[in-house]
Amino acid sequence: DIQMTQSPSTLSASVGDRVTITCRASQSISSWLAWYQQKPGKAPKLLIYKTSSLESGVPSRFSGSGSGTDFTLTISSLQPDDFATYYCQQYNGYSRTFGQGTKVEIK
Amino acid sequence: QVQLQESGPGLVKPSETLSLTCAVSGYSISSGYYWGWIRQPPGKGLEWIATIHHSGTTYYTRSLKNRVTISIDTSKNQFSLNLNSVTAADTAVYFCVRHKTGDEYNPFDSWGQGTLVTVFS
Repeated sequence: DIQMTQSPSTLSASVGDRVTITCRASQSISSWLAWYQQKPGKAPKLLIYKTSSLESGVPSRFSGSGSGTDFTLTISSLQPDDFATYYCQQYNGYSRTFGQGTKVEIK
Repeated sequence: QVQLQESGPGLVKPSETLSLTCAVSGYSISSGYYWGWIRQPPGKGLEWIATIHHSGTTYYTRSLKNRVTISIDTSKNQFSLNLNSVTAADTAVYFCVRHKTGDEYNPFDSWGQGTLVTVFS
């Protein structure tokens, strides 16, 4: 199975900061990468699919980039509602696999 | 807007079978899409378990393939998960999901609220 590795595991930031989370695949997944946001006790929410396509209703401060094995999620100006855990997920291989998550905390 | 709601026992004994159902509202599952299950052990990450199409075609994660069955009941507009021979490692929040329009590989754009299943003797 394709392994997904996110970094960092935890990120401390302030409102207004530009935040970048990286996700690395153990083999090329082309552009078949999604990002989710999860808040405590809630289901994940799809933010971005196919590396850079914004899901309907998701604020434009979220963006994604990358290809092959290296991908990034960027939040251009962190808002109070953005403190959460973020997961990447590949959907190139048979087994759709997730990264271990990046928790964005208040600095 | 589609809504998904999981139901099933919150406690299961070791070696028994975990059975969950996902009721779908706001959309007829016989009309299309792929539907699935994902789980999340407490404090840990997400694991895709299985996917099914209204036609009955199924897909399973390799690590659980020998223990898991996903099924669909279009007459009740619901789909189900059975996981047998459970151990404490199967303790998790189980989410039912819908794949984004397209094929079975697409990411998950709709989620149930999740239900915690604890394997405990």
